[in-house]
Amino acid sequence: QVQLVESGGGVVQPGGSLRLSCAASGFNFNRFAIHWVRQAPGKGLEWVAYISYDGSSEYYADSVKGRFTFSRDNSKDTLFLQMNSLRSEDTAVYYCAREGNILTGYLDFWGRGTLVTVSS
Amino acid sequence: SYELTQPLSVSVALGQTARIPCAGNNIGSKNVHWYQQRPGQAPVLVIYDDANRPSGIPERFSGSNPGNAATLTISRAQAGDEADYYCHVWDNSAWVFGGGTKLTVL
Repeated sequence: QVQLVESGGGVVQPGGSLRLSCAASGFNFNRFAIHWVRQAPGKGLEWVAYISYDGSSEYYADSVKGRFTFSRDNSKDTLFLQMNSLRSEDTAVYYCAREGNILTGYLDFWGRGTLVTVSS
Repeated sequence: SYELTQPLSVSVALGQTARIPCAGNNIGSKNVHWYQQRPGQAPVLVIYDDANRPSGIPERFSGSNPGNAATLTISRAQAGDEADYYCHVWDNSAWVFGGGTKLTVL
């Protein structure tokens, strides 16, 4: 069965860095684009970043552009979100999610999320 | 940037039909997807491409997008349907979520 497992969350000071990982299994990893979506405490879902199936294309929300970098290692079925210059407003649960259709962009499988807390 | 608007909350009596709207500029030209999120859990896709149900989602869940607003319809509402529901579209290299609607089953 399709599984996505996030890790790497934790507490970090403002201005600090953190690297999240997302381990995939149960599907042909190198055929699917993947997204990061976050949810601040008590708030709604916010799309964060996208990476194409082969890693050749990335897109970012304006709120993280220039600070976050999304990458993938198709030999290890793993994705990474490098987060730099973290701010208090980056505090959220971060989910990785598989894009089910390249043309319409729905997210058909989600991980359980990892919590990032930015606080001094 | 593109925006999707949902009501903060919708209430429905047990066994009745709930309708959750999602509004956006020219939304009829886009493919709308819907997610259910129960407290403390990850979102689950319940409708994709306006009106399609993934495997395992009950037929009670349906979607439409006639042009003015997309709608998620939940027939014969059950207590287990209480959750937050989010609409979602792709627009110009950005993926946009609505603010979410809390469904209460009375």
